[in-house]
Amino acid sequence: GAGVSQSPSNKVTEKGKDVELRCDPISGHTALYWYRQSLGQGLEFLIYFQGNSAPDKSGLPSDRFSAERTGGSVSTLTIQRTQQEDSAVYLCASSSGVAGGHTDTQYFGPGTRLTVL
Amino acid sequence: QKEVEQDPGPLSVPEGAIVSLNCTYSNSAFQYFMWYRQYSRKGPELLMYTYSSGNKEDGRFTAQVDKSSKYISLFIRDSQPSDSATYLCAMSQPQGGKLIFGQGTELSVKP
Repeated sequence: GAGVSQSPSNKVTEKGKDVELRCDPISGHTALYWYRQSLGQGLEFLIYFQGNSAPDKSGLPSDRFSAERTGGSVSTLTIQRTQQEDSAVYLCASSSGVAGGHTDTQYFGPGTRLTVL
Repeated sequence: QKEVEQDPGPLSVPEGAIVSLNCTYSNSAFQYFMWYRQYSRKGPELLMYTYSSGNKEDGRFTAQVDKSSKYISLFIRDSQPSDSATYLCAMSQPQGGKLIFGQGTELSVKP
């Protein structure tokens, strides 16, 4: 079946502009995650949605970052007033949401490469 | 200090070599241990999954977890050029949720 999809694949923006990144999870997956991958930093957790529970926002680096998940499916990550240090690959993953266990495997999308000039 | 430490490499080996990749971690609450493989400009894909301590083998790949030493390993036997990728270790706590990743090791297998 279809995997996790993300759009756009590449985004170039100017410093100070807002950007929106989209994630379409695997159908039926109740858990959705956003991570950021930058040179020298590896993959960093940003935010986690599980069903109707309040999201785990503990990884968001500043209040310029926010995310929402509408209807328990598609998610949008918004970065306001972008800075050059926001340049990175933003990865989305989804899982079945069963706590722990192999069935909670996270499947990743191809990512959105964000460049802030 | 990061919760999970992984040597970023790069690591270059000849085809057919045995490759050893390692991570150390500091949080004793981690129970689930994973290895992801990431090809250039692609998302990570799950390669191996281990619960708690022990070994797990899948074809040419063997994952080991030593919780007493807070140390995990991935071994690749008879390495192939197609194994050239970045290998990321990842771990999570019993309740699941977010993964904590190592920095990733870039591996190149030369024909």
